[in-house]
Amino acid sequence: GNSVTQMEGPVTLSEEAFLTINCTYTATGYPSLFWYVQYPGEGLQLLLKATKADDKGSNKGFEATYRKETTSFHLEKGSVQVSDSAVYFCALTPNQAGTALIFGKGTTLSVSS
Amino acid sequence: GAVVSQHPSRVICKSGTSVKIECRSLDFQATTMFWYRQFPKKSLMLMATSNEGSKATYEQGVEKDKFLINHASLTLSTLTVTSAHPEDSSFYICSANTPGQGFSDTQYFGPGTRLTVL
Repeated sequence: GNSVTQMEGPVTLSEEAFLTINCTYTATGYPSLFWYVQYPGEGLQLLLKATKADDKGSNKGFEATYRKETTSFHLEKGSVQVSDSAVYFCALTPNQAGTALIFGKGTTLSVSS
Repeated sequence: GAVVSQHPSRVICKSGTSVKIECRSLDFQATTMFWYRQFPKKSLMLMATSNEGSKATYEQGVEKDKFLINHASLTLSTLTVTSAHPEDSSFYICSANTPGQGFSDTQYFGPGTRLTVL
């Protein structure tokens, strides 16, 4: 079956530190991969995505590369800010019409100044 | 970009009552909408897939008689929690697909509804 595994949180960092949130997946076929972010009190927002192997998604300084050989899609940012504090969800879709996203459990990031 | 709204954003009700949550696509037509439930510090659990004009498809373990879903138009899906109990307290989130895309990366999420059952 399809599943997503994320590193357990919370992740606590100082401002300007380097961030990595690990995400691995299990899927049949060729899924698309996503990172969503949920800021406190808000809904889910798409942060970035990659639709095929070796694609790199990027947005707001965050990056993630679709690694088929390691079935991974780790999220990275070179210098985090306090405003990046949120819950980050890794997700996949098996790329079948009308199918829902499959989410990881989410990783809480807390950045202090 | 596409906007999905939910109403209400928060609701508190007494045990045994029913609560209706609306999910609307504001500037696009959504043939498919999804309802998720988010538990504290846990991921989103897909409850059901709602297709306009047909019955919803429920995930295993979700009681379809308790969580009634209606997708009467291309811009509105409703989730009714019937005879709510404290264990139904949760954050309910809907999302909508744009038609013709085929892939879930065109899913747009609503802001969620916090249900508290006393």
